[in-house]
Amino acid sequence: ETGVTQSPTHLIKTRGQQVTLRCSSQSGHNTVSWYQQALGQGPQFIFQYYREEENGRGNFPPRFSGLQFPNYSSELNVNALELDDSALYLCASSLQQEAFFGQGTRLTVV
Amino acid sequence: LAKTTQPISMDSYEGQEVNITCSHNNIATNDYITWYQQFPSQGPRFIIQGYKTKVTNEVASLFIPADRKSSTLSLPRVSLSDTAVYYCLVGAPAYYGGSQGNLIFGKGTKLSVKP
Repeated sequence: ETGVTQSPTHLIKTRGQQVTLRCSSQSGHNTVSWYQQALGQGPQFIFQYYREEENGRGNFPPRFSGLQFPNYSSELNVNALELDDSALYLCASSLQQEAFFGQGTRLTVV
Repeated sequence: LAKTTQPISMDSYEGQEVNITCSHNNIATNDYITWYQQFPSQGPRFIIQGYKTKVTNEVASLFIPADRKSSTLSLPRVSLSDTAVYYCLVGAPAYYGGSQGNLIFGKGTKLSVKP
């Protein structure tokens, strides 16, 4: 149990739709990161938020956006969904160099 | 960030010691070596972290030679529940100018433990 919770656990969307995924980070962790994990691959860094500001971004298009709230919870928004966006989306809150991951949201785009 | 190379898969039997080696030839002075474990449909879980020589905790040991160009994760007496993917990561902590949450994962090593 990492103290990081994500919702929903599973989601099915249609191509072209928009989706919002949510993450409640571990208490006291002011940094949250989002990762995309395709089947059989390692997690790929999407972006990171520190004290409500984006603080680093991976190689993902602008239709991937995020928010971090004053209580350090976070959202990942994806617009204009594509079939290749189907993946496990992981949220992680960080303390020093150790990251605590949630169980992920399995997104399927059909 | 330094790139890492690990075996794609390994097989073992219950009760054996398993050693997974990771190569990181371009490791930088401020980089630490961290290992994560991931079960299917779950997020990765921190196992162990080290900078040099040997680190041991309740679940694993990490061996790092003097040149730090490789590292070995050692799992003593594995059980069926150790079947998972193991990732080796290299990066600098935030207090050394690294990105705290930007972890670079490779494809990892899929460990299968058999009865």
